[in-house]
Amino acid sequence: DGGITQSPKYLFRKEGQNVTLSCEQNLNHDAMYWYRQDPGQGLRLIYYSQIVNDFQKGDIAEGYSVSREKKESFPLTVTSAQKNPTAFYLCASSSPGREQYFGPGTRLTVT
Amino acid sequence: QKEVEQDPGPLSVPEGAIVSLNCTYSNSAFQYFMWYRQYSRKGPELLMYTYSSGNKEDGRFTAQVDKSSKYISLFIRDSQPSDSATYLCAIGGAGGTSYGKLTFGQGTILTVHP
Repeated sequence: DGGITQSPKYLFRKEGQNVTLSCEQNLNHDAMYWYRQDPGQGLRLIYYSQIVNDFQKGDIAEGYSVSREKKESFPLTVTSAQKNPTAFYLCASSSPGREQYFGPGTRLTVT
Repeated sequence: QKEVEQDPGPLSVPEGAIVSLNCTYSNSAFQYFMWYRQYSRKGPELLMYTYSSGNKEDGRFTAQVDKSSKYISLFIRDSQPSDSATYLCAIGGAGGTSYGKLTFGQGTILTVHP
């Protein structure tokens, strides 16, 4: 089955710890994206990558980091510098300029 | 002014009603338009994708784009309780380094009651 997988589904961390969220796709898409969703705020773009070994900051990149070493994978690290990391994180992929397809999401809770 | 404005609702309708969901946008450079449906605690799923003014129909769903007014709509006919979800509009293709990026509306929460 083609699609996007995100793991884990739920993640709990203590404040001050870095945490890495996984995103893998087998749709052969060049572009991949990370969004954050908070209640009542829609989706906000964190980082995106249009090609392997290249990525750009989105609207709310502070406190986050990414890598794109393989076409299929785009992991997101939430660092201790992110002031309010508790949120629902969504990964998406697309062909350039086409519709984006989303994974099931990871719900991160930091206490 | 936000680039994309969407009434967050919530919107509650009886089963069988016609539902109208709307978004307005400010940048006339946007080229393509999408509607996503998101069930609680799930990832959004694509419902409609269009890149031209006019109507596009898929089953009970019709997407309408009016580029001159910078206004897009999603109509749901014969609404069902299973349509209860959050509906997100997404707009993209503004060109340059923004190509491929989507800007999302806030989402409209819809409840269809039996």
